[in-house]
Amino acid sequence: DIQLTQSPSFLSASVGDRVTITCRASQDISSFLAWYQQKPGKAPELLISAVSTLQNGAPSRFSGSGSGTEFTLTISSLQPEDFATFYCQHLIDYPITFGQGTRLEIK
Amino acid sequence: EVQLVESGGGLVQPGGSLRLSCAASGFTFSYHHMDWVRQAPGKGLEWVGRIRIQRDSYTTEYAASVKGRFTVSRDDSKNSLYLQMNSLKTEDTAVYYCARDSHSHSFDYWGQGTLVTVSS
Repeated sequence: DIQLTQSPSFLSASVGDRVTITCRASQDISSFLAWYQQKPGKAPELLISAVSTLQNGAPSRFSGSGSGTEFTLTISSLQPEDFATFYCQHLIDYPITFGQGTRLEIK
Repeated sequence: EVQLVESGGGLVQPGGSLRLSCAASGFTFSYHHMDWVRQAPGKGLEWVGRIRIQRDSYTTEYAASVKGRFTVSRDDSKNSLYLQMNSLKTEDTAVYYCARDSHSHSFDYWGQGTLVTVSS
């Protein structure tokens, strides 16, 4: 199975900060990587597909990059509504797996 | 507007069975692979299983943790997705989400989730 490891697992930041979350895959997953945001008590929402394609309606302050085994999600300037848990996911093979999550909290 | 609405969750004893449903609307259901994802209380997301479209013979894939116990099915005439869960264990306690495959290697729409609690 392909393992996805996110770092950090917990991040404390302030409104206006630039933050980066990393997702490392245990083997090459090409560009089959997506990012999701989940707020407490809600379903996850797709932010980015295929490494860097921003989902319709997702704010442009979110961006994704990477290839192969290392990927990043960047938020250019944190807004109050961005504080949530973020997950990466691969879909290159089965089982589909998610990273363990990165919880982003207000400093 | 795309909508996915799960139902069928509840409290069940270990060893018991439960069938979850996911009603889809606002898109051509038969065109999309569909998935189930679960989230145990306070934990991360775990993919459960997938069913492909008719063109791909409705074939299925499962996580190792549920293979042989859970069955994903669909009824395109009713725009519905199902998850039959048998031999339930306490570790199956979770919110279960149905999700739509986007055709671009991601899940672009999710239901609100239904809680399954396995406890005696």
